[in-house]
Amino acid sequence: QKEVEQNSGPLSVPEGAIASLNCTYSDRGSQSFFWYRQYSGKSPELIMSIYSNGDKEDGRFTAQLNKASQYVSLLIRDSQPSDSATYLCAAGGQNFVFGPGTRLSVLP
Amino acid sequence: DAGVIQSPRHEVTEMGQEVTLRCKPISGHDYLFWYRQTMMRGLELLIYFNNNVPIDDSGMPEDRFSAKMPNASFSTLKIQPSEPRDSAVYFCASSDPDVEGYTFGSGTRLTVV
Repeated sequence: QKEVEQNSGPLSVPEGAIASLNCTYSDRGSQSFFWYRQYSGKSPELIMSIYSNGDKEDGRFTAQLNKASQYVSLLIRDSQPSDSATYLCAAGGQNFVFGPGTRLSVLP
Repeated sequence: DAGVIQSPRHEVTEMGQEVTLRCKPISGHDYLFWYRQTMMRGLELLIYFNNNVPIDDSGMPEDRFSAKMPNASFSTLKIQPSEPRDSAVYFCASSDPDVEGYTFGSGTRLTVV
């Protein structure tokens, strides 16, 4: 059974700092990984995907993948209060397996 | 495109009643997923369809739950009879193999009293 683990948080960072969100997965066969952001009372929205080892940058967001360690991370630079949300990590395939999410709070 | 459309947005029902949740996927998406989200269990996959055919329903909690996709633009998730422990937010999502990730609908918040 595929599993995705995340620290539930909350992770609190000051405005302008780097927020680091981590995720581990159990299925070595997983090839694609996704980060979703979910604001309270809203649906998850896709913010990043990563398929290869290394880093992938998109604006203030950087996703990192290490398949040997079965580890995925999301860095948010220059964190803003509007980044306060729950971040869900997902391992892809025909169907996604989602982690429990990490609640991020960016303090003004 | 209007995105994935779910109805109703909120549903309050009494224990024992039948509940039907509805979903219209994005046109052209050939995968449709039903998820349930609770604080305790997070986002759980209930069932998913490919080209209107159920592929994996192993996440459906018990026989009280059923899902159908009679055509490419409509799916239902039915709970009969409903129980208080079914209270959750139910999300529908759709995807296209050529487009990464899922697109989620706004969800249906179900409360069974």
